[in-house]
Amino acid sequence: KQEVTQIPAALSVPEGENLVLNCSFTDSAIYNLQWFRQDPGKGLTSLLLIQSSQREQTSGRLNASLDKSSGRSTLYIAASQPGDSATYLCAVTGRDSGAGSYQLTFGKGTKLSVIP
Amino acid sequence: KAGVTQTPRYLIKTRGQQVTLSCSPISGHRSVSWYQQTPGQGLQFLFEYFSETQRNKGNFPGRFSGRQFSNSRSEMNVSTLELGDSALYLCASSSTAGVADTQYFGPGTRLTVL
Repeated sequence: KQEVTQIPAALSVPEGENLVLNCSFTDSAIYNLQWFRQDPGKGLTSLLLIQSSQREQTSGRLNASLDKSSGRSTLYIAASQPGDSATYLCAVTGRDSGAGSYQLTFGKGTKLSVIP
Repeated sequence: KAGVTQTPRYLIKTRGQQVTLSCSPISGHRSVSWYQQTPGQGLQFLFEYFSETQRNKGNFPGRFSGRQFSNSRSEMNVSTLELGDSALYLCASSSTAGVADTQYFGPGTRLTVL
């Protein structure tokens, strides 16, 4: 059974700092990995999607990397801003061997606070 | 283009009742997936519908069911509610089948079971 772990559970940084969020997964047989952002009381916003054949994806100040063989991904946020404060979730898509279907498995997230 | 909409946004029910939640995907999207989010378990996949057919299913009991209509709108039903069903229920839509595509999430329905 796929397990996704995100460390740390919470992170507080001063504005302007560069930071890295970590995600690890136990089964490397994945189709892709996604990073999402969730603001309090709201749904998820997709930030980056990395296919299993890719090593990284970039969007603006965000850069996500994927090392499938070691079961790790990082989300790098450059020059953090107070508006980046949110919970960041990573999710992997794999096949559930029991059900024979695709499964999207989420980590529990890292709650980021950027202090002005 | 309008985003994914979910109704109602908040719902309070008592144990033993049943509930139906609704999700309207982004126009043109034919895949709708449902998720349950709780503080203890995090986000868990419930099921996915594409072209009115359930294509994928997570590990939830049969009390959780869903359906999709010809206009791609989807409903999720939970029967015989339990206290542990209290959660934020999220739906997501994508243009293609399978959860391998980028998913766009709605704001969720907050269900409280008393």
